Amino acid sequence: DAGVTQSPTHLIKTRGQQVTLRCSPKSGHDTVSWYQQALGQGPQFIFQYYEEEERQRGNFPDRFSGHQFPNYSSELNVNALLLGDSALYLCASSFPLAGGVTDTQYFGPGTRLTVL
Amino acid sequence: LAKTTQPISMDSYEGQEVNITCSHNNIATNDYITWYQQFPSQGPRFIIQGYKTKVTNEVASLFIPADRKSSTLSLPRVSLSDTAVYYCLVGDIEGLSGTYKYIFGTGTRLKVLA
Repeated sequence: DAGVTQSPTHLIKTRGQQVTLRCSPKSGHDTVSWYQQALGQGPQFIFQYYEEEERQRGNFPDRFSGHQFPNYSSELNVNALLLGDSALYLCASSFPLAGGVTDTQYFGPGTRLTVL
Repeated sequence: LAKTTQPISMDSYEGQEVNITCSHNNIATNDYITWYQQFPSQGPRFIIQGYKTKVTNEVASLFIPADRKSSTLSLPRVSLSDTAVYYCLVGDIEGLSGTYKYIFGTGTRLKVLA
């Protein structure tokens, strides 16, 4: 049973460019969340996708957008890259617990984005 | 935005029990508390999850008081390989907007010494 996978593992971009990161959830999971983790910091919640729609969103600008496909995989897009967007981008997948708002999230290995 | 805090770092010796506490004053009513372990340049690895009282699995225990404003991760008999950063994760609902968000704790860097 494959866990959460992400691609690419590393990426280098320049300021102003656009980037797309990809995530395949763990088998049986239908919800995907994205996090940004700057060096030495904890992960920061970007947004969550469920049934191909953005369900929740953290304090990130509209330059950060996403998409979920019918097979539950997801993409994170970041436009007009800034130096401060350099970080490890984590994808987590989950399946909602009955009656609760929190579901157990399982994380992928991350994509290391460097913006020059 | 609610703040979730943990001690920045802890040192321990092999074979000792380690307890790491996370405070989360604004945890959402129906929300669970989840703890993760993270090694450098890797994604967080699930350790344990609970709602209240005590939960135990093969690697850790989680203690949650009745008010649920904090939680304590207990690692029995740590080894060198337990050297990592440990995070708590809770859901938080912002008061005015009612927006639900996931909030990671500040992270605790555990160093296990021989």
